[in-house]
Amino acid sequence: GAVVSQHPSWVICKSGTSVKIECRSLDFQATTMFWYRQFPKQSLMLMATSNEGSKATYEQGVEKDKFLINHASLTLSTLTVTSAHPEDSSFYICSARVLDPPSGDTQYFGPGTRLTVL
Amino acid sequence: QKEVEQDPGPLSVPEGAIVSLNCTYSNSAFQYFMWYRQYSRKGPELLMYTYSSGNKEDGRFTAQVDKSSKYISLFIRDSQPSDSATYLCAMSVNQGAQKLVFGQGTRLTINP
Repeated sequence: GAVVSQHPSWVICKSGTSVKIECRSLDFQATTMFWYRQFPKQSLMLMATSNEGSKATYEQGVEKDKFLINHASLTLSTLTVTSAHPEDSSFYICSARVLDPPSGDTQYFGPGTRLTVL
Repeated sequence: QKEVEQDPGPLSVPEGAIVSLNCTYSNSAFQYFMWYRQYSRKGPELLMYTYSSGNKEDGRFTAQVDKSSKYISLFIRDSQPSDSATYLCAMSVNQGAQKLVFGQGTRLTINP
């Protein structure tokens, strides 16, 4: 199946600093990637949709100036959390859209990045 | 009311039991239904993908969709300790895999 990687898997940073998270499709090209955040024991909440070569589409309530998304190539999307604060601590997960006949048109997820802001 | 409702559990069953996981939804426009398995501190892994109503079987897993009742199920036969995880249902309106709406997830433990 399609493999999506994320880096780093875990990051701790000081309040006020910026953190970049990378999402890569390893064995396929992904024109569309998605960024989610997940709080403990809660479900995934879509933050934004990232399309290669164009601006990301953010969900209502997500600050686009705080969560910068760049999808510069067909295999890489990045999420930068700017001026991070403790309330930004969460599990960030990316996914990539895959057109796979047996499975249809769906999303494959990366392993997630745990961000802790001190 | 949430668009997708899923009992968070926790659900604990003995090894070998048949497990039934369920979600209900309110948006009749949903046409594509998925089940994901998520191990602790990992990303979700796609288990089953179905379109519209009906059943789909893959090994020990069977997914059922009843659009008339707005109800979907995932059955796990001969459950194993390695099946212990959180199971998330997800659904979407369009085939473009856009805007997946997830249930809260059910935490499942299979006891040896």
